[in-house]
Amino acid sequence: AQSVTQLDSQVPVFEEAPVELRCNYSSSVSVYLFWYVQYPNQGLQLLLKYLSGSTLVESINGFEAEFNKSQTSFHLRKPSVHISDTAEYFCAVYGGATNKLIFGTGTLLAVQP
Amino acid sequence: EAGVTQFPSHSVIEKGQTVTLRCDPISGHDNLYWYRRVMGKEIKFLLHFVKESKQDESGMPNNRFLAERTGGTYSTLKVQPAELEDSGVYFCASSQFLQGTEAFFGQGTRLTVV
Repeated sequence: AQSVTQLDSQVPVFEEAPVELRCNYSSSVSVYLFWYVQYPNQGLQLLLKYLSGSTLVESINGFEAEFNKSQTSFHLRKPSVHISDTAEYFCAVYGGATNKLIFGTGTLLAVQP
Repeated sequence: EAGVTQFPSHSVIEKGQTVTLRCDPISGHDNLYWYRRVMGKEIKFLLHFVKESKQDESGMPNNRFLAERTGGTYSTLKVQPAELEDSGVYFCASSQFLQGTEAFFGQGTRLTVV
């Protein structure tokens, strides 16, 4: 069975500091990996995804994630965060015969001035 | 183009009552999903429609939950009778294709059973 682990439930960070949100997955088959973000009082939005090809994927707002097959990880990083990045971030896996997303428990990124 | 729309945004009901959640997917999206997040836990899959047919309902908690998708358009999720543990945020998502394509999510319905 597939699973996703987000070890950090909450990550406090100061504005303009770098941040890494960790995600590890478990799967016996090839997977597609996603990061979704939920801003306060909004729905889930796709931040970035890995389907195939380059293992480093980037979003339009400066986030990037690297697929590491040997470590079964898909950590999300940003070199300098803004107050507006405060949100909950969800890592998800989609693969095999299941046509559904398997989510982690989410990481709340709290950016402080 | 309108996104995925869910009604209501919030619902507070008493234990034993019935609640119906509605989801309007993006027009043309054959795939419609329901997910639920219980407070502090992961977002869990409930079921998947392809057009009006239930493709996978393995995540439905029990027979108090009934989902329908009329004519392959909007979907409803009824909880009858509601229990305290049904409280959570119910998300609907739709996608045009399957594997690896982006699923667009609604804002969710926050259900509180008291």
